Order: sequence, then structure tokens, then C-alpha cells
Amino acid sequence: GAGVSQTPSNKVTEKGKYVELRCDPISGHTALYWYRQSLGQGPEFLIYFQGTGAADDSGLPNDRFFAVRPEGSVSTLKIQRTERGDSAVYLCASSLTPSGLTDTQYFGPGTRLTVL
Amino acid sequence: AQSVTQLGSHVSVSEGALVLLRCNYSSSVPPYLFWYVQYPNQGLQLLLKYTTGATLVKGINGFEAEFKKSETSFHLTKPSAHMSDAAEYFCAVSFSGNTGKLIFGQGTTLQVKP
Repeated sequence: GAGVSQTPSNKVTEKGKYVELRCDPISGHTALYWYRQSLGQGPEFLIYFQGTGAADDSGLPNDRFFAVRPEGSVSTLKIQRTERGDSAVYLCASSLTPSGLTDTQYFGPGTRLTVL
Repeated sequence: AQSVTQLGSHVSVSEGALVLLRCNYSSSVPPYLFWYVQYPNQGLQLLLKYTTGATLVKGINGFEAEFKKSETSFHLTKPSAHMSDAAEYFCAVSFSGNTGKLIFGQGTTLQVKP
């Protein structure tokens, strides 16, 4: 595809359940970022992948959150034992080069997660 | 700690009027600065960015921004607003040594009145 895609676009789950959010970056982009955007706020960094490895996971709020990128392309953000406070839009972005500080990050449309 | 502040969560202008969206950052190291726009039900789209060189940066859709180190600012301007400019605008920074992650401001919603 031409841009970053994310699935599902919407996810409603119950408190305590496990969810997986998927991100397909632009083909050939080696850097991949996850952000979380709460209502009325700017996106907040969660985790950064350089290829297959998580180069920076300092933004993950706690150990219920985990992300993988096993083949260096598609990434999955996993949330265990979801809480109502996890409700937000989860954004994925990719850029061409690893650790490209000035590279443009291309964002997907996001997954809106609602925890009831 | 590095941070970004956008003054004014909502800005309203008339069509044809000047658009000015304010962004200030806090950092002990030189920043790289970005403006993103988010239209309803769409992903964030880059408007412009400052990395090095000329401090006045021109972007898409007639927007521009000027990096002023002495004021730690990167305000976004457009001489004449169009109805299609109505959206949410985010200022963001990254810094050398932080892996490229962006630190965003809280956003400014631009309303354009006919």
C-alpha cells in the first residue's frame, strides 16, 4: 500500500481482556514508532523499532504493554489486562531510515481502543 | 526535560485572515522542529520541518514557520486562511540522541469562519 495502515480501525473490549493492534508500515521503512493519543492531547511516544529490535521502549506505561516486529515490517502492539485508562487512539508511524532524527514520520490513521 | 507548549487550544480566524499558531519548546540541546496537521478522521500529515540551515521554513498548503532560537519558538503562519485549513495542528520536537521519537504539544484546533 501507499501509506501506513492500521487494523482494526476501532476496537471495543472489556476491562481485563487482551488486545492486539496491528501496524503495516510503508514498504522499505526501517524505523517504526507507536504513539498513544488520549482525547484532547497530543500523541505520546510509546516505543520505537529499528528493524526488528525495540531500540527505545521508554514510553511504554507499564508491563501490560508489549510490542513486537519479528520480521522488521509489520508490528503488533499487545495490551494485557486492559484497563479503562488504556482507552485512546493508538498511532503507528514509520520513517525511511533507522534513527533518522530529521526523517519525516508517516502516520497511520490509528486504532481507536475503547475499554468498557 | 524537553517539552513543547502550544499556546491556545482553540484559534478562530475569518477566511482570508492571517493564521498564527504558537509553539514554544524547552530544551538544553538543539531541537529539530515539526508541524503536523490532523484533518478529521485522517492521520497526522507533515506540514513542514526545521532541521538545520535556513530558519524560515516553507511547507505545504502555503504554511510557513520560523525557528527563533532566542525565543525558543517555532510559530506557524499562513497569510490567508482557507476554509479547508480547519483542522488540528500539532507542533513536535525531536532531539539529537533520543532515537527520533517526537514530543508533541497538546494541539491547537483551528476554526475558519466564512
